[in-house]
Amino acid sequence: GQNIDQPTEMTATEGAIVQINCTYQTSGFNGLFWYQQHAGEAPTFLSYNVLDGLEEKGRFSSFLSRSKGYSYLLLKELQMKDSASYLCAVSDSNYQLIWGAGTKLIIKP
Amino acid sequence: IAGITQAPTSQILAAGRRMTLRCTQDMRHNAMYWYRQDLGLGLRLIHYSNTAGTTGKGEVPDGYSVSRANTDDFPLTLASAVPSQTSVYFCASSDGTSRPSEQFFGPGTRLTVL
Repeated sequence: GQNIDQPTEMTATEGAIVQINCTYQTSGFNGLFWYQQHAGEAPTFLSYNVLDGLEEKGRFSSFLSRSKGYSYLLLKELQMKDSASYLCAVSDSNYQLIWGAGTKLIIKP
Repeated sequence: IAGITQAPTSQILAAGRRMTLRCTQDMRHNAMYWYRQDLGLGLRLIHYSNTAGTTGKGEVPDGYSVSRANTDDFPLTLASAVPSQTSVYFCASSDGTSRPSEQFFGPGTRLTVL
């Protein structure tokens, strides 16, 4: 079957660094996406990884290891506005996105 | 219009009633999707369309139907609503069907079936 696992909830402090992990088992792999979703709003695209390694984009970085079925999203210099859910999604053999349940990130001052 | 719009924003519906959720995009994307999002379950694909005139079933299609008469519009119909269809519904679109591509989401419709 297809499965994507993320922690349900994480808490971090403003100004700190947090790493949100995602593990996956899917039928085929055509890349992994991270989305951000603020409460009551639509998901918005953050990053896409298809090759192993780290992709850096400002305060956010995303890492992929295809052999381990593992990715993480790294958020640096946390700000209160980063309080949101972070969704991991894998593009499968049919280019459909398979979604994790999301990780709710709570930022404390 | 810029991006994807959905209507209505929210709706309370009596069980057994028929309801159509509307979705329109102006990005000329080939692919469109309907998801439902329930607490703790993440986004689940209901139906999709890779191009105008074609549709396909997703993970949870039962009780829902779609049509894709043109590129811009992708309505979702609940023929006879049941309480288990209470959810937040998101429409999305992307410009790739034979390669992975970013999906753009509408603002969502919050549906309550009583």
